[in-house]
Amino acid sequence: EIVMTQSPATLSVSPGERATLSCRASQTVTNSLAWYQQKPGQAPRLLMYGASTRATGIPARFSGSGSGTEFTLTISSLQSEDFALYYCQQYYDWRFFTFGPGTKVDIK
Amino acid sequence: QVQLKQSGGGVVQPGKSLRLSCAASGFIFSSHGMLWVRQAPGKGLEWVAFISFDGSEKYYADSVKGRFTISRDNSKKTLYLQMNSLRVEDTAVYYCAKDETDSSGFFDYWGQGTLVTVSS
Repeated sequence: EIVMTQSPATLSVSPGERATLSCRASQTVTNSLAWYQQKPGQAPRLLMYGASTRATGIPARFSGSGSGTEFTLTISSLQSEDFALYYCQQYYDWRFFTFGPGTKVDIK
Repeated sequence: QVQLKQSGGGVVQPGKSLRLSCAASGFIFSSHGMLWVRQAPGKGLEWVAFISFDGSEKYYADSVKGRFTISRDNSKKTLYLQMNSLRVEDTAVYYCAKDETDSSGFFDYWGQGTLVTVSS
């Protein structure tokens, strides 16, 4: 089973600053990587798929990169509504739709 | 608009059973794979089970294999999760989610979540 890890566990950022979140797979997932945002008490929301394609309605300040085993989600200028939990998910191995443990982005 | 309306959660004793439902609207249900994901209190997301658009393929997390069964009724536009032999560690909010296509592997719409509490 492919294991997903994320770092850091918590990222403290000031509004307007850039946030860089990392996701690593234990083996290659090519570009079969999605990112989700989750706010307290809400369901997850799809942000990115194919490692770098924004989902419908996602602002351009969100960007994704990477392939193989190393991936990055960048939020170029944090807005108040961006403080949330972020999860990566691989879909290369269809036997296991594994999620990473998440990165919490909070206000510095 | 796409809606996934969940029902069926509640409090249940260890060893008992519960069935969750996820009623879909606003899209062609029979053309999309579906996923169940859960989130234990204060924890991250854990995928539980996936079913293909036509029900021919099903995958389960090791933690629920042999106890949970995912199914769908395309005529009723409804997804199900039958949970048997429930354990305390199955306590979580359960979400259903829609695959972006028949088999993309990522999930663009999610239900509101339903809480399952397993406790004696």
